[in-house]
Amino acid sequence: QKEVEQDPGPLSVPEGAIVSLNCTYSNSAFQYFMWYRQYSRKGPELLMYTYSSGNKEDGRFTAQVDKSSKYISLFIRDSQPSDSATYLCASNTGGFKTIFGAGTRLFVKA
Amino acid sequence: GAVVSQHPSWVICKSGTSVKIECRSLDFQATTMFWYRQFPKQSLMLMATSNEGSKATYEQGVEKDKFLINHASLTLSTLTVTSAHPEDSSFYICSARDLPSGNSYEQYFGPGTRLTVT
Repeated sequence: QKEVEQDPGPLSVPEGAIVSLNCTYSNSAFQYFMWYRQYSRKGPELLMYTYSSGNKEDGRFTAQVDKSSKYISLFIRDSQPSDSATYLCASNTGGFKTIFGAGTRLFVKA
Repeated sequence: GAVVSQHPSWVICKSGTSVKIECRSLDFQATTMFWYRQFPKQSLMLMATSNEGSKATYEQGVEKDKFLINHASLTLSTLTVTSAHPEDSSFYICSARDLPSGNSYEQYFGPGTRLTVT
């Protein structure tokens, strides 16, 4: 079992839709939960992070962590074609190593 | 913000030759750098972790004699693919962290280097 599981998609939505991206994890020691966005042939960029459980909002993006169910979510409101990318969830215990999910490819159609 | 650069962005080499990829942190000191490999439509595979001035720690299954990593300064790490073969063709991405002053989650990625071995 992978420590962080993520459905690779692809996920295709119309412009303006609400997008829900999800991951599950197995390591109870994870404390930091991140979402990265990666455009084609580019390195990942950090979108949002959450420490422990709870929600965090940044503009159109909301990150949510439920440690009781080991579930990580990213919601994108009013999705735009420019949001089309691969989204990777990641978790870290606070140490050196960050574990990444497989990434979900998102396509937002104009 | 924290910027990590990689050079070259794209390289083509012949089978049997060696290729060096540079990773630089431009505006912070990277006490730890990571090297990842990414195949098309797949996630990041951690190859090794390097701390400045120390030998790199390689992940299981990664040949340390084939993928030579040097982290000689706080702003530069290099990955050398020795005796490259077509199966080494991939997208190589480095990332850097600024510890202990940085937060545990903060990991800044370079733009990646696409290696094609013919």
